[in-house]
Amino acid sequence: EVQLLESGGGLVQPGGSLRLSCAASGFTFSSYVMSWVRQAPGEGLEWVSAIRGSGGSTYYADSYYADSVKGRFTISRDNSKNTLYLQMNSLRAEDTAVYYCARGARELHYWGQGALVTVSS
Amino acid sequence: DVVMTQSPLSLPVTLGQPASISCRSSQSLVYSDGNTYLNWFQQRPGQSPRRLIYKVSNRDSGVPDRFSGSGSGTDFTLKISRVEAEDVGVYYCMQGTHWSLTFGGGTKVEIK
Repeated sequence: EVQLLESGGGLVQPGGSLRLSCAASGFTFSSYVMSWVRQAPGEGLEWVSAIRGSGGSTYYADSYYADSVKGRFTISRDNSKNTLYLQMNSLRAEDTAVYYCARGARELHYWGQGALVTVSS
Repeated sequence: DVVMTQSPLSLPVTLGQPASISCRSSQSLVYSDGNTYLNWFQQRPGQSPRRLIYKVSNRDSGVPDRFSGSGSGTDFTLKISRVEAEDVGVYYCMQGTHWSLTFGGGTKVEIK
């Protein structure tokens, strides 16, 4: 059974940093592109970032970002630990959201339960 | 970025009656590999999103056959043949053809 478990959410001040983790199990983690998607309170879904697996792919660069987080967020993965990360720097109030990790990118198949990030003073 | 426009915003439906949600993209979603990466997701209250349909019309395992997807190019539809109480929630379309990936604004399905 595919499982994705996010952790690392919490309250952070504007301008601060936070790192989210997503522990994956039930599939060969290194074979899959992984994504982060967020949802602000009461709002819709917004794709944040994606990173390819260790294998080569003809149509993915190493990582992609939404314009709203480019230069502030960094996606990474540790295939030996089956874990996906999202390093978030220079956080703003508008980054407040539940952050989901998901398997895939073009076809977001499986989703985690989400981690709440609140940016507030 | 590709803009995904869903309608209606809200959809009150009588139990047992059909429902239809429209999703239009600002650009063609046909990718160079010939596939059209248009997905539909269901988000029940308090839950994570769940994928229902991928590549326009392919139903995920465990998804009831009352859900169906159709369309091509820039115009897509999700249909529920007979709405049940468990179908209440918000439905999103999402395109995976063009970076950045983008979602529609969502359609809230509720029971009349």
